[in-house]
Amino acid sequence: GAVVSQHPSRVICKSGTSVKIECRSLDFQATTMFWYRQFPKQSLMLMATSNEGSKATYEQGVEKDKFLINHASLTLSTLTVTSAHPEDSSFYICSARDPGGGNEQFFGPGTRLTVL
Amino acid sequence: GNSVTQMEGPVTLSEEAFLTINCTYTATGYPSLFWYVQYPGEGLQLLLKATKADDKGSNKGFEATYRKETTSFHLEKGSVQVSDSAVYFCARGRGNEKLTFGTGTRLTIIP
Repeated sequence: GAVVSQHPSRVICKSGTSVKIECRSLDFQATTMFWYRQFPKQSLMLMATSNEGSKATYEQGVEKDKFLINHASLTLSTLTVTSAHPEDSSFYICSARDPGGGNEQFFGPGTRLTVL
Repeated sequence: GNSVTQMEGPVTLSEEAFLTINCTYTATGYPSLFWYVQYPGEGLQLLLKATKADDKGSNKGFEATYRKETTSFHLEKGSVQVSDSAVYFCARGRGNEKLTFGTGTRLTIIP
């Protein structure tokens, strides 16, 4: 199946700093990517839908100025957690939709963010 | 709205036991149905899927049948292994819609 990568896999940062997470579709072009957040022992919470060349669509309750999403190319979307605080510590997972694969979503391996 | 209701865990079974994880979905439109698996510290992997009624998805010994009459997509495996220990998510989606996930079921298999 199609491959989606995320970088970094793990990041630890100080409170107040910004962290950028990259999501790449390695062998297909994804016009749509999704960003999820997962708390310990809980399901995935969709944060936003990232559309190439246009603004992201955020889910209710997600601060767009806090979680900046840029989908600058058909293979790359980035999520920037701005002025991170300990409550932003979480597991962030992206997925990419493959339009040539029946619109199936392929998930990245996730990024573990820890804010001290 | 669209929703997926999944059997709450955690589920603990002995090796070689029979597994069933229940999942029901709202039948708005004609969604595709999915089971994803998440191993510790990793992202989600598609385990199997079914795109229309009566389809059976299967992979790695796991099976699930798209039941329109009961709006269900229960996951089954005849003989589980320790390596099957993971969190399993049921999901529905249609066309370009975002996926709707169940809450996840943590499965632990003991030797």
